[in-house]
Amino acid sequence: EAGVAQSPRYKIIEKRQSVAFWCNPISGHATLYWYQQILGQGPKLLIQFQNNGVVDDSQLPKDRFSAERLKGVDSTLKIQPAKLEDSAVYLCASSLVQRGGLGTQYFGPGTRLLVL
Amino acid sequence: DAKTTQPTSMDCAEGRAANLPCNHSTISGNEYVYWYRQIHSQGPQYIIHGLKNNETNEMASLIITEDRKSSTLILPHATLRDTAVYYCIVRNSGGGADGLTFGKGTHLIIQP
Repeated sequence: EAGVAQSPRYKIIEKRQSVAFWCNPISGHATLYWYQQILGQGPKLLIQFQNNGVVDDSQLPKDRFSAERLKGVDSTLKIQPAKLEDSAVYLCASSLVQRGGLGTQYFGPGTRLLVL
Repeated sequence: DAKTTQPTSMDCAEGRAANLPCNHSTISGNEYVYWYRQIHSQGPQYIIHGLKNNETNEMASLIITEDRKSSTLILPHATLRDTAVYYCIVRNSGGGADGLTFGKGTHLIIQP
């Protein structure tokens, strides 16, 4: 079974530029998550989707971050404009269990972003 | 979700059992204990989870105390590839938003 795919693996941009990350979850997984992991810290949830609807985006900085999952499969996370403090690894995860139950989350390899 | 406390780092000799402790004294009755690990430059990897009873799978064993206020993850025969940051996470089974809340975890170093 293929795992969670993410691209690109690495990205370097200058501050105030925009950037987008892509995630393809495990086939059939209804729930998709984006996490941000700053160096030396554990991952922090940014947004959770159930199919193509948002379940939780309480920690997403909505003035500059946006995410979508239009067809309930792939997802993109965008930052516009980027700040130096956005330098981090952006992790995508997916799980099979529908909302209302606990499911194991499977993580992708992450996209490492450096903002100069 | 309940807060967890883990040691910052631990060492273990290769081939020995690695025992990683976690305190979760404010855990409530419907909260599960999950363990993930993150090897350098990779995404977190699920290891095991439990509610009350001890659990074992091909990767590890999870021992939960009777009062559920602490648990121990056991890697029975540690190898160099087990060097990673190990996260103990408490998850509510009540449904709704269920993103994982990671702490800083325990950096386990397996010594040759």
